[in-house]
Amino acid sequence: DTEVTQTPKHLVMGMTNKKSLKCEQHMGHRAMYWYKQKAKKPPELMFVYSYEKLSINESVPSRFSPECPNSSLLNLHLHALQPEDSALYLCASSLRRSQPQHFGDGTRLSIL
Amino acid sequence: QQPVQSPQAVILREGEDAVINCSSSKALYSVHWYRQKHGEAPVFLMILLKGGEQKGHEKISASFNEKKQQSSLYLTASQLSYSGTYFCGTVSDAQGGSEKLVFGKGTKLTVNP
Repeated sequence: DTEVTQTPKHLVMGMTNKKSLKCEQHMGHRAMYWYKQKAKKPPELMFVYSYEKLSINESVPSRFSPECPNSSLLNLHLHALQPEDSALYLCASSLRRSQPQHFGDGTRLSIL
Repeated sequence: QQPVQSPQAVILREGEDAVINCSSSKALYSVHWYRQKHGEAPVFLMILLKGGEQKGHEKISASFNEKKQQSSLYLTASQLSYSGTYFCGTVSDAQGGSEKLVFGKGTKLTVNP
């Protein structure tokens, strides 16, 4: 069991749907991250929130919209995704920047 | 810039040792090591900060050569549970350390009985 909880574990959606991924941690970490991972590839950074403020956006398309409602919660809102967006989406958190990152189990997303 | 890992894959028999290398062309603030098993999340192993410090955890240790911007992960007396893909992640020193962790392509380690 990981201390970073992601829901749902699996998600299948059409290209016109709107859905959200959720990530929660109660370790008091102040940095939270979204990564995208394709099969047999390393995780690729998408967004970083530091003290609930967006600090890094790795030129991610606007169909992905992150939100950090509070220090324990991180959401990723999805809209009008493309088939190439199918991947494992990982959330991670760390005490602060440049500290070890703890990953959730991920959401496996499939776009039809 | 993505760090370079070598080798890409290694196959061991239980009890053998292995070394995985990670190098960067940029000055680094820190190097992180993770292991990911198939279908699971990456698991943090250790972090090394600039200063050449060597860290260890049971039979897994790592070093960071600041002059060469290289890190090595040492696995001794490997166990079946060590199988997985090992990723190094690097944080550039350009900003005195930031949240941006860039992962190498990974090294697939297989330990056979």
